[in-house]
Amino acid sequence: DAGVIQSPRHEVTEMGQEVTLRCKPISGHDYLFWYRQTMMRGLELLIYFNNNVPIDDSGMPEDRFSAKMPNASFSTLKIQPSEPRDSAVYFCASRQGGGTGELFFGEGSRLTVL
Amino acid sequence: GESVGLHLPTLSVQEGDNSIINCAYSNSASDYFIWYKQESGKGPQFIIDIRSNMDKRQGQRVTVLLNKTVKHLSLQIAATQPGDSAVYFCAENKGSNYKLTFGKGTLLTVNP
Repeated sequence: DAGVIQSPRHEVTEMGQEVTLRCKPISGHDYLFWYRQTMMRGLELLIYFNNNVPIDDSGMPEDRFSAKMPNASFSTLKIQPSEPRDSAVYFCASRQGGGTGELFFGEGSRLTVL
Repeated sequence: GESVGLHLPTLSVQEGDNSIINCAYSNSASDYFIWYKQESGKGPQFIIDIRSNMDKRQGQRVTVLLNKTVKHLSLQIAATQPGDSAVYFCAENKGSNYKLTFGKGTLLTVNP
C-alpha cells in the first residue's frame, strides 16, 4: 500500500485566497483525521470522519475551515479565505476501526499564507 | 483539564547510549498511550503503544513505561543510532473516541 497520500506537499498563497488540501487514506481504513501542526501549538486535531461522516469537528478553528469526505478514498480540507495565521503543516491520517489507536499519517501539506 | 506535556524539549545523546524521553499527562481517565516519531519533513510514525492496564511494554530496541500513580510515561531507546534522531511525541486517548491528544514533542539528537 502506498500509505496516506496528501497533496499538495507545499502551497504558498496570498492572504484571502482559497486553499484546498487533499487526502487519500489507506484503502480499507474507515477513520480519517485532519491535524494541523505548528511550532506554537504542536499537533492539533481539526476534524475526523468515520465511514465518510464527520464525527467531531470541534477542533476546526473557524468557519473559514471546512472539510469534506465525498467517498472512502478522498477527503478535502478547505480554507476560505486564508490568513497568514493559517500557515502550518496540515496532516491527514487514517486508521481502521477498533483495536489499537495507531494512526498512519501522510507526509503533510506545508501551507504558507503571505 | 486534559493535557499531555513533556519534561524535556531537547535531548542530545551519544551514539550507542540509551535514551529516555519523558512525558507527563494530566488526564487520569486516559487509558491508551502511544509514542510517535517524526523525522524532518515527514509525518509522525507509530513506534509503540501501551494500555493503562500495563506498566511496561517492549518492542524492538524500545520500551515504554507507564506510571499511572504519577501520570508519567517514558520511552526508552536502547543503543541509540543516528537514525533515531527525530522529534518524539507522546499521545493519549481516552476511551474509544479515537481522538488522540499529542504532546509538544522532544527533539532527540544523536551525536556520532
